[in-house]
Amino acid sequence: GDSVTQMEGPVTLSEEAFLTINCTYTATGYPSLFWYVQYPGEGLQLLLKATKADDKGSNKGFEATYRKETTSFHLEKGSVQVSDSAVYFCALNRRNTGNQFYFGTGTSLTVIP
Amino acid sequence: EAGVAQSPRYKIIEKRQSVAFWCNPISGHATLYWYQQILGQGPKLLIQFQNNGVVDDSQLPKDRFSAERLKGVDSTLKIQPAKLEDSAVYLCASRGTSGDRRTGELFFGEGSRLTVL
Repeated sequence: GDSVTQMEGPVTLSEEAFLTINCTYTATGYPSLFWYVQYPGEGLQLLLKATKADDKGSNKGFEATYRKETTSFHLEKGSVQVSDSAVYFCALNRRNTGNQFYFGTGTSLTVIP
Repeated sequence: EAGVAQSPRYKIIEKRQSVAFWCNPISGHATLYWYQQILGQGPKLLIQFQNNGVVDDSQLPKDRFSAERLKGVDSTLKIQPAKLEDSAVYLCASRGTSGDRRTGELFFGEGSRLTVL
C-alpha cells in the first residue's frame, strides 16, 4: 500500500545551519506530495506541496523537489531560524484512492541560537 | 476565512469511560477526516467522510469508536469505552472541493488531546 518514510529525529541545529529532512514514498501512480509543519501547541499546517514529477514546492525559505526517479521529496532550507523549531511531516495523496492522505512519522527540529 | 474548529482542546478521563469530540470544518468543505496522533507518531486516519457518507473507516476500531456527520457539516467522534492506549491527540481536517484552487490541501484543527488514566 501507499506509505511515506521520513528520517527519524530529533534534529538539533544551530541558527543559520543548513537543513535537510529526507522523505521517500511508496505509491502506485502519481501522488501529490506535501510537507506539513506542526508548531508547538498548534495543529498541522501546510508548508509546501508538489503535484507532479520535477515540481518544486517552496514556502518561507523551505524547498522540496518531487523526484519520481528516486521516489523522494526531501525538505531543505539554507539557513534555519529559531522560529523554525517544529515537527515536520511528509505526506502523500492520491486522488484515485478516495483522496486519502498518508503521513510519515514526523521529524522534530530544534534550532538553537 | 474561519478555520477548522475542534472541541474540547483537552480531556482527561478514566479507562472505560466515554468521551466525544466535535469538529466543525471550513464552510463548504465536503470532505472531513478524523486522525489519531499518538505521541511521537504521524497522524493515522480513523475515518473519512464525503458530505455525510463514509468513504473510508477501515482503521476505525468499531467496537469502541464511532463517528457521524449527520448533515454533511460538523462531525462527532465518540469513544466508548476508552482504553489507556486511546491516549492521543484527535485531529480533524477538512478538504476543499474540486474547483477550489487549494483543493489538494488539508486544513487541520488544533486537535483534542485525550488522556486516559
